[in-house]
Amino acid sequence: SQQGEEDPQALSIQEGENATMNCSYKTSINNLQWYRQNSGRGLVHLILIRSNEREKHSGRLRVTLDTSKKSSSLLITASRAADTASYFCARSGNTPLVFGKGTRLSVIA
Amino acid sequence: DVKVTQSSRYLVKRTGEKVFLECVQDMDHENMFWYRQDPGLGLRLIYFSYDVKMKEKGDIPEGYSVSREKKERFSLILESASTNQTSMYLCASSRTGTETQYFGPGTRLLVL
Repeated sequence: SQQGEEDPQALSIQEGENATMNCSYKTSINNLQWYRQNSGRGLVHLILIRSNEREKHSGRLRVTLDTSKKSSSLLITASRAADTASYFCARSGNTPLVFGKGTRLSVIA
Repeated sequence: DVKVTQSSRYLVKRTGEKVFLECVQDMDHENMFWYRQDPGLGLRLIYFSYDVKMKEKGDIPEGYSVSREKKERFSLILESASTNQTSMYLCASSRTGTETQYFGPGTRLLVL
């Protein structure tokens, strides 16, 4: 199966700055999801955006989806040290979710 | 509150041992999944199940089998553990195969 690809692989920012992570995929989707994983733990679902949606917000999170470019982005505004984690996109098509390799975000206090 | 539990957080086994990893969900979900996660490789789907006694191979089923005798429980079995099966194993469940997945805390398996 073809994984989604996150970009960048790693990101380091100062507390208070915004963090942007991108995800590209190759096949058509029903929806695209973003997950967060703290070190050594399971994944936690953050947000789901459907193929007919272009933007979605949840608290400090903003997700955009461009199906023509087969890409999505996750923006975390006013980052905090507690946002330090790995973030994964997962595309949903006719098969079970396909996860990307993740972006490791470090927020420095 | 949704909950997926895994039988062990850490496990150390010897090469050739039979290993059982158990996953239980309390959300009455139809679908359950087993992944392994390795550095640089992301999450890879081993097996999934969309109903009791049903199973489907994922991307890397070799060396593994699964069992789903009850809706809430999905077991991953390593018939004869090998060192290349040292990994983090994650279980997840979802109401449908394409919607939000809820993950357990993971089992870090070391095969010596």
